[in-house]
Parts: sequence; C-alpha cells; structure tokens
Amino acid sequence: TQLLEQSPQFLSIQEGENLTVYCNSSSVFSSLQWYRQEPGEGPVLLVTVVTGGEVKKLKRLTFQFGDARKDSSLHITAAQPGDTGLYLCAVRSGGGADGLTFGKGTHLIIQP
Amino acid sequence: KAGVTQTPRYLIKTRGQQVTLSCSPISGHRSVSWYQQTPGQGLQFLFEYFSETQRNKGNFPGRFSGRQFSNSRSEMNVSTLELGDSALYLCASSLLTAHYNEQFFGPGTRLTVL
Repeated sequence: TQLLEQSPQFLSIQEGENLTVYCNSSSVFSSLQWYRQEPGEGPVLLVTVVTGGEVKKLKRLTFQFGDARKDSSLHITAAQPGDTGLYLCAVRSGGGADGLTFGKGTHLIIQP
Repeated sequence: KAGVTQTPRYLIKTRGQQVTLSCSPISGHRSVSWYQQTPGQGLQFLFEYFSETQRNKGNFPGRFSGRQFSNSRSEMNVSTLELGDSALYLCASSLLTAHYNEQFFGPGTRLTVL
C-alpha cells in the first residue's frame, strides 16, 4: 500500500481550463511538499505546507493542506502549456529515516 | 550558483556488471541524498550522506551502496546489476541535513540494464 495516493494518475486538458489534483493518505503528517518534474529534469520544489487547513498560492497554483493534515490538493487556474509536467507530493519518512516519501505523481498535459 | 550536477547523464550496462554514478552538490551543501525513480514504483529514497557519513538508508538491497567525499561530492555504486535496476537515479543536495532543509535535485542519471 502506498503511503501517498495521488489522483488522477494522468490528466490531459486544454489550455485555459482549471484543474485539481489530489494527494491522500491515512497517515497524519507534520508537513507536505509539492514538486513539479519536467522531462529530463529532477523534481523542483513548489511549496511546503505545514499547518492543517493552510492555503498557499503561487501565481495560478493554489495548494491546500487538509484540516487533519492527511491530504492535500493542488488547484491550477487557467492552465497553460508551461504547466505540463509530473506533479509529485512528498512527506518526510517516518521511523527516523530522513528521506522523502513520494507519491507516484500526476502526469499533467496542457494542450494548446 | 551552479545547481546539482550528475554524471554521466545516460548509461547502458549489462546484467551482472557494476556501475558508479557521481553527484556534485550545490557549493556549500553538505548533505547528499540519492533516489531511484521508476515508472512502476515512482521515486524511492536510497540513502543520505552528511559530512561523509551515511545517515539513513532506504529499503534497498546491499548491492546499492554509496559514499561521500570531504568536498561533499558523492558517488553511488550498484553491483551485480539486474534488469530491474533500470531507472532514473536522482541525487539531491541540501545545506544541512535533509530532514530540516530544502532538497535541490539534479537532472538524474538514466541507467539502462540490458
């Protein structure tokens, strides 16, 4: 069982549309991160959310951390082709390990 | 400021061989973490090195090993390669320990095992 379940796995929409992707878990986390990875590159950190119910905005991207700190969503308004990429959520591993645990990601394609 | 660099970018090996991948962190960063990315399993943590010491290790067999040098550059080694080791190997550096600091990822090394 995956610690972090991301949905949808794939999403292809037209430029200008809005979309929301989700990151869900049955575990509680002290913080959660969202990354975007483009082909041929490593993931790039977009945001870290730490407080239950927290909402952070990054231009057209809105990130929300669930009240119970078990889930998060990423909403993109008026998507553009430059938003195309793999969106990953990640949390700090438990049990003393410091590595990040990632969800499998949402592959997003924005068509012109 | 130069980002994280990884060499080589692409590598093809055959089963049974061994491979060494290299990672140069951002200048001043002392922590280097390694991750394996595959379509089936996604991104998985391999290990983290800080000040030349392995701090943490993920759930991978002993064929996967690494080290860090005094200049913070890191190498990872995979021995007795298996087909399933084909993956994108990413390294990430952070200023101090990865637990409390943002990690910056390199572009990865694409390893293909035939």
